[in-house]
Amino acid sequence: AIQLTQSPSSLSASVGDRVTITCRASQGISSALAWYQQKPGKAPKLLIYDASSLESGVPSRFSGSGSGTDFTLTISSLQPEDFATYYCQQFNNYPPAFGGGTKVEIK
Amino acid sequence: EVQLVESGGGLVQPGGSLRLSCAASGFTFSSYEMNWVRQAPGKGLEWVSYISSSGSTIYYADSVKGRFTISRDNAKNSLYLQMNSLRAEDTAVYYCARDKYQLLFDYWGQGTLVTVSS
Repeated sequence: AIQLTQSPSSLSASVGDRVTITCRASQGISSALAWYQQKPGKAPKLLIYDASSLESGVPSRFSGSGSGTDFTLTISSLQPEDFATYYCQQFNNYPPAFGGGTKVEIK
Repeated sequence: EVQLVESGGGLVQPGGSLRLSCAASGFTFSSYEMNWVRQAPGKGLEWVSYISSSGSTIYYADSVKGRFTISRDNAKNSLYLQMNSLRAEDTAVYYCARDKYQLLFDYWGQGTLVTVSS
């Protein structure tokens, strides 16, 4: 099974900061990678799919890049509502797998 | 508006059974593949099971294979997860999630908590 490693596991940032989260796959997954945002007590929300496609309704400050084994989620200017945990997920191979998560906290 | 509402969670003893339900609305349920994904308290996300739109194709995670059964009733716009031989490590919030395509999840329910404990 494919393993996804996210880094960092947590970070502290201020409103307005540019934030970058990385996700590395244990083997190539083409561009079959998604990013989700999860707030405490809530369900995950799809942000990015196919590595760089923005889900409808998601603010343009979120962007994704990468292919193969290395991927990045970038928040260009962190907003108060962006403090949450972010997960990557691969859907190139069965079974689908999630990264361990990155918690974005207020500095 | 797409809505997924899970129910059926609760406290169950090890070795016991529970049946989760997910009521879908706001989209043509019979046209979509569906999944169950779980999250243990304070932990990450784990995919559990998939069912095709017709119910003819089903997949399970190795951790639940032989113990859990996914099913659906398209006439009732409902998804189910029958969980047998429950273990402490099955304790989690269980989410139903719509499949955008190829095991990519675009809408999630609010989740239902299953606690396996004596």
